Amino acid sequence: KNEVEQSPQNLTAQEGEFITINCSYSVGISALHWLQQHPGGGIVSLFMLSSGKKKHGRLIATINIQEKHSSLHITASHPRDSAVYICAVKETSGSRLTFGEGTQLTVNP
Amino acid sequence: GAVVSQHPSRVICKSGTSVKIECRSLDFQATTMFWYRQFPKQSLMLMATSNEGSKATYEQGVEKDKFLINHASLTLSTLTVTSAHPEDSSFYICSARVRTGPYNEQFFGPGTRLTVL
Repeated sequence: KNEVEQSPQNLTAQEGEFITINCSYSVGISALHWLQQHPGGGIVSLFMLSSGKKKHGRLIATINIQEKHSSLHITASHPRDSAVYICAVKETSGSRLTFGEGTQLTVNP
Repeated sequence: GAVVSQHPSRVICKSGTSVKIECRSLDFQATTMFWYRQFPKQSLMLMATSNEGSKATYEQGVEKDKFLINHASLTLSTLTVTSAHPEDSSFYICSARVRTGPYNEQFFGPGTRLTVL
């Protein structure tokens, strides 16, 4: 079992739909990252969370430390949101990030 | 967020040659830099962690003599793939960590796609 699990693995949506991607982890963490990787490969850091909720534009990230769960929401999705979304956690015991396997999101016009 | 650049973005080389990839933090000084590789449809795999002025710490299974890491300054780290072979073809991504207030934030470079013929 991976320490960081994401669901779903693949998600196809129509433009305008509200999207949720989930991340569950099994270790104690000091921070959780949501990353976006476009087909060209470059990675953009969307959020770093240690508690509560953060919002940036149409993106919202939440984390529940007690339940070891985080969600990434995209409101009014657009085809340019199509990418792989990766959850990564920084364990309290170390310095490295542990990555989920990613969620491939495709938003159709 | 802070910007991390990588150069080159794409490189094709012949088997047996060496390739150097540069990673720079453009507007901040990074306390630590990380090197990852990513195979198609897979997540990032940490290769090594480097701190400025000290030797890199390599992950298990990563050959330090094959993947040479130099972290000469707080804004520059280089990864040299020595005597590259086709199985080294991969997407290499660097990441830089910076202290922001009480937290350590990590920013990623755009990656370098290496193809070894």
